[in-house]
Amino acid sequence: EAGVAQSPRYKIIEKRQSVAFWCNPISGHATLYWYQQILGQGPKLLIQFQNNGVVDDSQLPKDRFSAERLKGVDSTLKIQPAKLEDSAVYLCASSLDEVRQGQEEQFFGPGTRLTVL
Amino acid sequence: DQQVKQNSPSLSVQEGRISILNCDYTNSMFDYFLWYKKYPAEGPTFLISISSIKDKNEDGRFTVFLNKSAKHLSLHIVPSQPGDSAVYFCAASQGGGSQGNLIFGKGTKLSVKP
Repeated sequence: EAGVAQSPRYKIIEKRQSVAFWCNPISGHATLYWYQQILGQGPKLLIQFQNNGVVDDSQLPKDRFSAERLKGVDSTLKIQPAKLEDSAVYLCASSLDEVRQGQEEQFFGPGTRLTVL
Repeated sequence: DQQVKQNSPSLSVQEGRISILNCDYTNSMFDYFLWYKKYPAEGPTFLISISSIKDKNEDGRFTVFLNKSAKHLSLHIVPSQPGDSAVYFCAASQGGGSQGNLIFGKGTKLSVKP
């Protein structure tokens, strides 16, 4: 079974530029998550999709960050304009839309490492 | 305000010995807890989980213990192997299933020395 795919793996931009990340979840997974992981911290949820609808975007800085999952499969996360503090690894994860013994197992992609100069 | 805390940034253990990684949480509404393992340049991978209705869950060399009254959980790895060297994240959720988002700790870097 193929895992969660993300691209690009690395991106370096200057502040005030825009950037986009792409994620393709595991086939059949209805729920998709974007996390931001700043160096030395744990992943922090930015947005959660259920199919093509947003479940939780309470921690997404909506003045500069946007995300979409138009067909309920792959997703893009955009930052415009980028700030220095956006330097982080952006992780995409997916999970099945069912509760198995209360388990919430999320499968993570390798992440995109963003450096803002 | 950190709801999930891993107070030890690093831990070094000899191969064959026990590794104990600790995690504390503040939100009493959390009802599901997970441990993820992360190698460099890879995404976290799920390791083991425990529901709040249990106090222990075991999977091979890995055992997670939950002490709800102390709001504390720990991951035991016995015996530790060099391949276990990674960063371990504790995570918690409330509401379980696909509706609850995960709150992660900062991670503990485990080094298992041959």
